[in-house]
Amino acid sequence: RKEVEQDPGPFNVPEGATVAFNCTYSNSASQSFFWYRQDCRKEPKLLMSVYSSGNEDGRFTAQLNRASQYISLLIRDSKLSDSATYLCVVNMARSSGGGADGLTFGKGTHLIIQP
Amino acid sequence: DGGITQSPKYLFRKEGQNVTLSCEQNLNHDAMYWYRQDPGQGLRLIYYSQIVNDFQKGDIAEGYSVSREKKESFPLTVTSAQKNPTAFYLCASREGTNSPLHFGNGTRLTVT
Repeated sequence: RKEVEQDPGPFNVPEGATVAFNCTYSNSASQSFFWYRQDCRKEPKLLMSVYSSGNEDGRFTAQLNRASQYISLLIRDSKLSDSATYLCVVNMARSSGGGADGLTFGKGTHLIIQP
Repeated sequence: DGGITQSPKYLFRKEGQNVTLSCEQNLNHDAMYWYRQDPGQGLRLIYYSQIVNDFQKGDIAEGYSVSREKKESFPLTVTSAQKNPTAFYLCASREGTNSPLHFGNGTRLTVT
């Protein structure tokens, strides 16, 4: 099983719709979780940290499900400007297969919002 | 404003030449990182440093070297030993072990 897995998509979604995607992780001892947004040929930018109780920032909601080992990102009332690749990042112990410093990146989910 | 600055944005080199990519941060972060991203691929860790004068190899360190003489600076040298150097290079830093990464705007290296 891969350490951090994401559905690569693309997810084609009409403007105004709600879209959600998940990221699964393999190490149950993972400590911190993040969602990043990456536009084409640009650097990743932090979208949200994911907290155990779930958190919301405007149209974006992040959830953590430790029992099933996944995090989710929900985007409501999607805008054309939400089109991007969304990267999941998990901080896990190296002894359990994480990256050299414990940070492991998913390969991203490509989202296309259509007018 | 605090942030991470990478330079140059685009870099072109001939095969067989070493090239150094600059990364400077004024966020006062102890930890700094270098990643490589290839088209359609995820980020792969090259080197990281958790404190001045110390650094560790990441998952793909072969053909690369780094130094960390100052807290603010973490330059990456791509040597002629790197088989496929053409890629998008990203520098990042973070405050602590469970903190998120902050990225620079990247250097796109093309070697011909």
